[in-house]
Amino acid sequence: RKEVEQDPGPFNVPEGATVAFNCTYSNSASQSFFWYRQDCRKEPKLLMSVYSSGNEDGRFTAQLNRASQYISLLIRDSKLSDSATYLCVVNIAGSARQLTFGSGTQLTVLP
Amino acid sequence: NAGVTQTPKFQVLKTGQSMTLQCAQDMNHNSMYWYRQDPGMGLRLIYYSASEGTTDKGEVPNGYNVSRLNKREFSLRLESAAPSQTSVYFCASSDRDDPRGSKTQYFGPGTRLLVL
Repeated sequence: RKEVEQDPGPFNVPEGATVAFNCTYSNSASQSFFWYRQDCRKEPKLLMSVYSSGNEDGRFTAQLNRASQYISLLIRDSKLSDSATYLCVVNIAGSARQLTFGSGTQLTVLP
Repeated sequence: NAGVTQTPKFQVLKTGQSMTLQCAQDMNHNSMYWYRQDPGMGLRLIYYSASEGTTDKGEVPNGYNVSRLNKREFSLRLESAAPSQTSVYFCASSDRDDPRGSKTQYFGPGTRLLVL
């Protein structure tokens, strides 16, 4: 079983739609959680950290459910520029690997 | 600031050839990392360096060696390339944890390697 699992998609949504991505992690010792964004043939970049109380950054909302070991990302009012792959990332406490990446969910926003 | 830079951008090797991928960061970060990214596999850590003078193995170190030349530079060497090492290689760097214990990593643009 992968340590961080995501639905690979692709998700194809029209502009203005609301879309949600989910991610599950297997290690209950996981301590920090993130969403990274990766554009086609580019490097990953931090989109937002995910905090226990949930957090929002403009059109993006991240939620964490530690009991279910589940992380979500909600994008409201999708823009063409949101088209990318979204990577769920977990920092496992005490892990020498520092960050563990999911394989990503691909989003295409259609005009 | 250039952030994290990597050279070369693209490389084609024949099986058995060697090469070194270069990485440099100008953010004065202590930690640096090498990842490979393959379709459907996500990013996998090859080696990392928590600080100048130290290196440690990650998830997939076999077939690779690294050198932390100084605080800025962290190189990855393939001594005898194999087709299984065809991948996109990313270098990343990060500073110390923030108060919440998170550790943002900043990535270079990647090196696309094809081993024939």
